Amino acid sequence: DTGVSQDPRHKITKRGQNVTFRCDPISEHNRLYWYRQTLGQGPEFLTYFQNEAQLEKSRLLSDRFSAERPKGSFSTLEIQRTEQGDSAMYLCASSLTSGRDEQFFGPGTRLTVL
Amino acid sequence: AQKITQTQPGMFVQEKEAVTLDCTYDTSDPSYGLFWYKQPSSGEMIFLIYQGSYDQQNATEGRYSLNFQKARKSANLVISASQLGDSAMYFCAMRELHGSSNTGKLIFGQGTTLQVKP
Repeated sequence: DTGVSQDPRHKITKRGQNVTFRCDPISEHNRLYWYRQTLGQGPEFLTYFQNEAQLEKSRLLSDRFSAERPKGSFSTLEIQRTEQGDSAMYLCASSLTSGRDEQFFGPGTRLTVL
Repeated sequence: AQKITQTQPGMFVQEKEAVTLDCTYDTSDPSYGLFWYKQPSSGEMIFLIYQGSYDQQNATEGRYSLNFQKARKSANLVISASQLGDSAMYFCAMRELHGSSNTGKLIFGQGTTLQVKP
């Protein structure tokens, strides 16, 4: 079992550009989450998928953000027209809907918007 | 509304000693889960320990134990026999199990930075 993976690990972009991040969850996990973490803060929930269905989006997720999970496997998070305030660590987590539903996190993608 | 409060921005502990990291929470849901995660400088969130709101006993996982006081709404993490590798950021998090959406999303506190001194 390889755990949750994220790609890229680091992304530097200019303001106004679009970026896309990928998350590959643990293979049998049906739940997938995206969180955003700014420096010195705890992660904040962005959105959640159960299989391929996106069931909740935080109000933090403006219309410039879109997430998909086609076929209920990997997920992508796209940010359009990036702003400097989007600079953060974007964390992906996955879990299995049973028991304590513990979330396993990936290493994160650190985004820097210049 | 759900809230997690960690009042200690930073803590120091001598190697081999025990340390307690504080966490208080607020929720109106009778069913919830409490988690502690460790985040080293590399950035990955590592699960440490879990406590369910109906669990009768305090959770333990190796050198980690959770001091769960339900009436006080506190879930403090105790690390025994600290090691240099324990130096990291520690986050307390909560999940409501029967909320209106029941998505399983976690609400995190601000975190506590722990430094272990040799």
